This record gives sequence, C-alpha cells and structure tokens, in this order.
Amino acid sequence: AQKVTQAQTEISVVEKEDVTLDCVYETRDTTYYLFWYKQPPSGELVFLIRRNSFDEQNEISGRYSWNFQKSTSSFNFTITASQVVDSAVYFCALGGAAGNMLTFGGGTRLMVKP
Amino acid sequence: EAGVTQFPSHSVIEKGQTVTLRCDPISGHDNLYWYRRVMGKEIKFLLHFVKESKQDESGMPNNRFLAERTGGTYSTLKVQPAELEDSGVYFCASSRGLAGVYEQYFGPGTRLTVT
Repeated sequence: AQKVTQAQTEISVVEKEDVTLDCVYETRDTTYYLFWYKQPPSGELVFLIRRNSFDEQNEISGRYSWNFQKSTSSFNFTITASQVVDSAVYFCALGGAAGNMLTFGGGTRLMVKP
Repeated sequence: EAGVTQFPSHSVIEKGQTVTLRCDPISGHDNLYWYRRVMGKEIKFLLHFVKESKQDESGMPNNRFLAERTGGTYSTLKVQPAELEDSGVYFCASSRGLAGVYEQYFGPGTRLTVT
C-alpha cells in the first residue's frame, strides 16, 4: 500500500523567512512519481512539480526548490523568502507505476504573515 | 485553454436526497479522475475513467455512488441517497495520460454538505 505523510499540519512564518514543508512517502513500487500541489483559498489544486523515482536531482524554480532523497523516502519543498501570496495548503502526493491514482498526504497549511 | 471545471461549486442537501456533480475535463484529456476530501481527512481517490470506460473504481465507498462519463467527455458523479458522511469536497482531475507519467490538473472542487 502507498502512504504519504506530511507531519506538519500548520506552519506560520513571517514574510521573507525561508520555510520547508516535509513529505515522507511509502511505496513498494520501484517506479513511482511524486508531486506537490498548492491549494490557495480559492480551493483549486494547482500543480507545482512532478518527479519520477529515477531522478533524484534537486529542482529549483524561482523561490521554490525541492529535495528528493530516496534514501529517506522524502520529497521536501522549500520556499525561499516567503511572501504573503504563498499562504495556502500544500499537498504532497504519490503516483504509482499503475498510473491510475494519486495518494495524497494530509496537507500542510502555510500562513505567511506580513 | 480552459481548465477543469466543476459544477456546482457548492451544494447543500438533506439526508436521503440525491445530488449530481458534474466535471468537465480539459479538452483532449482522456483520463478523468474523481477524488474527495471529507472533513479532516486526506484527499482520497474514488475512480478513474479512460475515455468512457471505468478503469478503476476501487475507491468508490459504496453503491450509493454512481459515476458516468458518456461519450468520453464530461463526467457526472451521483450520490443517491446522500448520507451525512458524504459531506466533503469532491475534486475532479484530468490528464493527457496516466497519473504518474502525466500530471493531473484539478478543478476547484464541489463542496457537498449533507444535513
């Protein structure tokens, strides 16, 4: 069975602080895919990134960066110099080799205060 | 390109009534997924269509839930009769290919409240 754990249910930071959202996953698949989604107050889930299990390179996109570590089954997400607009619920998700569904973590609510 | 749309955005019904949720995927996306998030829980997979065929409905909670995708375009999810525990947010997502290889694009969700 697949499982995704986001241990931080809520994080509060002050604008311009860096913040890391943790994601730990469990799977028996050798091929799998990891995702991060952002859910702003408007409610839709906005796709941020997809990584496959064979690519452990870290990725940076502007103020966002992701650290994929197979050895610890983690796929952490860091926002550098956070902004108020980053306030949202962030979900980590796992897709298996069968490709028919995503397994989500419980989400981390990030509040960035001015 | 229009995103995934869902209708209605919010529905309030009484226990025992019927509700039908609609999802319009991104044009050209053969794969359509339904998920739901009940209060305080994770987002859970319900089912997956490839075109008009149900590929996987292992997440459907019981036979009060019926999903259809006639013609392989939009999809409906009917709950009949609704129970209190059905309250939550129902998300629809679509993708060009299977969930792992291609990212899923989500709609804004339908918030269902059963009283």
